[in-house]
Amino acid sequence: EPEVTQTPSHQVTQMGQEVILRCVPISNHLYFYWYRQILGQKVEFLVSFYNNEISEKSEIFDDQFSVERPDGSNFTLKIRSTKLEDSAMYFCASSEMGMRNEKLFFGSGTQLSVL
Amino acid sequence: KQEVTQIPAALSVPEGENLVLNCSFTDSAIYNLQWFRQDPGKGLTSLLLIQSSQREQTSGRLNASLDKSSGRSTLYIAASQPGDSATYLCAVCSGGYNKLIFGAGTRLAVHP
Repeated sequence: EPEVTQTPSHQVTQMGQEVILRCVPISNHLYFYWYRQILGQKVEFLVSFYNNEISEKSEIFDDQFSVERPDGSNFTLKIRSTKLEDSAMYFCASSEMGMRNEKLFFGSGTQLSVL
Repeated sequence: KQEVTQIPAALSVPEGENLVLNCSFTDSAIYNLQWFRQDPGKGLTSLLLIQSSQREQTSGRLNASLDKSSGRSTLYIAASQPGDSATYLCAVCSGGYNKLIFGAGTRLAVHP
């Protein structure tokens, strides 16, 4: 069965450093998302992306965050200057036609630790 | 602002028992509701999706119901097995229709 692939599975970085989290969505999917889950808290929406532009973002997704689809297969989340509170599991997800009538497929996540 | 609550937070049952997980949401204006399974250190696996116009969905031993007007959904697991042990998350799609709002989950342990 097709799956969403995320790399790396774990990332450790120093506060203030830039990190890029990478995702390969399912090949025929058109909608891409990033969610995060801080340890012990709910999964939170960060951003959705369609047709090479952000379609919606949450208040968490400030100027420190950016997303990009640099080629036909990868979808990345960049955090420009990491803070301690950015430590979380980051999930990439994709869907074929959008959220209203279909399931969302999640990757297994990247555990980001900011020291 | 949409809030999703799941009860109970944790549940431990013997194998073979039928069980019900509960989810409630504050704003009935939703597009759909989804149930996910999360295994430790793993991603989220979509189990069932119920459109706002539907009342229930079934997949194998799982049955999810939706009462949109009262802001409630239940996930029924029949004949539970140790392999069902995981955290079950409820999420609603409302507001911007690309966005899911998640509950905190119910952590289920099924012991032999």
